[in-house]
Amino acid sequence: EAQVTQNPRYLITVTGKKLTVTCSQNMNHEYMSWYRQDPGLGLRQIYYSMNVEVTDKGDVPEGYKVSRKEKRNFPLILESPSPNQTSLYFCASSSQRLASGANVLTFGAGSRLTVL
Amino acid sequence: SQQGEEDPQALSIQEGENATMNCSYKTSINNLQWYRQNSGRGLVHLILIRSNEREKHSGRLRVTLDTSKKSSSLLITASRAADTASYFCATPRTNAGGTSYGKLTFGQGTILTVHP
Repeated sequence: EAQVTQNPRYLITVTGKKLTVTCSQNMNHEYMSWYRQDPGLGLRQIYYSMNVEVTDKGDVPEGYKVSRKEKRNFPLILESPSPNQTSLYFCASSSQRLASGANVLTFGAGSRLTVL
Repeated sequence: SQQGEEDPQALSIQEGENATMNCSYKTSINNLQWYRQNSGRGLVHLILIRSNEREKHSGRLRVTLDTSKKSSSLLITASRAADTASYFCATPRTNAGGTSYGKLTFGQGTILTVHP
């Protein structure tokens, strides 16, 4: 089944304890992206990657790192989590079609992170 | 502020009624997408309309796009309780050449509740 898989789905951690949220897709998609969703703020893009070894900042990249060493994986790293990073995180991927500009996303199920 | 903004923020209707949600955006686009999110879950792509299209249908969904007003609407006809969800419009950021650079921006969404 074509899907985007995120882990963990739920995590409670403490301030400053490094964590990684993994994201993997099995659709051979070039494009991957991370979003966070907060009440009243909607979805905001954290980072995205157009292909292997190509990443760029979204609208709210502060406090996050990403890497794209393989096409299928796009982990989100919180080096020193803080309470304001408590949020619902979504990974998404797409078969980027640059000519048409169409970029239809397939989303993971989400990772709910709480930082105490 | 967000590129796409939905209106209304919340909509409550009875089963069988039609539901209309609106989306306004600020900059030129080459396509606009609508997504649905069931509570706390990942977003699911519903429909994409290109800038040279004025109307598009998919089952009970009808999307219109007015590029002169920078607005789009999503109409769900004959709504069902199962349509209860949040609905988001999404627009790509483009450069002068019209190519998406991976930044797909979501509005804050309309929460639709369909009462049986």
